[in-house]
Amino acid sequence: GAGVSQSPSNKVTEKGKDVELRCDPISGHTALYWYRQSLGQGLEFLIYFQGNSAPDKSGLPSDRFSAERTGGSVSTLTIQRTQQEDSAVYLCASSGADRAFSGNTIYFGEGSWLTVV
Amino acid sequence: KNQVEQSPQSLIILEGKNCTLQCNYTVSPFSNLRWYKQDTGRGPVSLTIMTFSENTKSNGRYTATLDADTKQSSLHITASQLSDSASYICVCHSGTYKYIFGTGTRLKVLA
Repeated sequence: GAGVSQSPSNKVTEKGKDVELRCDPISGHTALYWYRQSLGQGLEFLIYFQGNSAPDKSGLPSDRFSAERTGGSVSTLTIQRTQQEDSAVYLCASSGADRAFSGNTIYFGEGSWLTVV
Repeated sequence: KNQVEQSPQSLIILEGKNCTLQCNYTVSPFSNLRWYKQDTGRGPVSLTIMTFSENTKSNGRYTATLDADTKQSSLHITASQLSDSASYICVCHSGTYKYIFGTGTRLKVLA
């Protein structure tokens, strides 16, 4: 597609339920990022995928969070046993190449707004 | 510790006025600095990218400056419009795939 697509755009879930958030990056982009943004806060890095390399999961806040990227394209972020503090906007971003000093722009999706009640 | 600090945290100006947003960073190694605009409820959109060798770059009414010696950047908005109301986020690329984000400046333009 023309841009990074995320779904669902809004999700309200009960505490303890599992949720899956989907990201379709820009076609051909090899790098994919997940970020979390709590209300009024900056972006918090969660996980990074680059091609077929092992992902950098260092930003995932707990083992309830996991993500995968199938076929080097679509990515799914899964949150198990959701807690109220998981309520945030989950932003996906992609970029075309990942070389130091490349200056490639990161393109963000519109985000998935998660509310845990 | 890699950090990006932005000021002011929030700003209110009248339509037609100019404003300048500041970004100070301590990122090493430093590759480039980006300014993003984030409308309420939307994802961030890139305004400009500056490498360490660039001092000034303009994008319409937006002009970004970079001083790599003092590790400061500014985003100047000229003749502000109501549609400029948004959060402006400064992001540093450290030469790896990690991007360090500032917490943003929330700008409100009033009619």
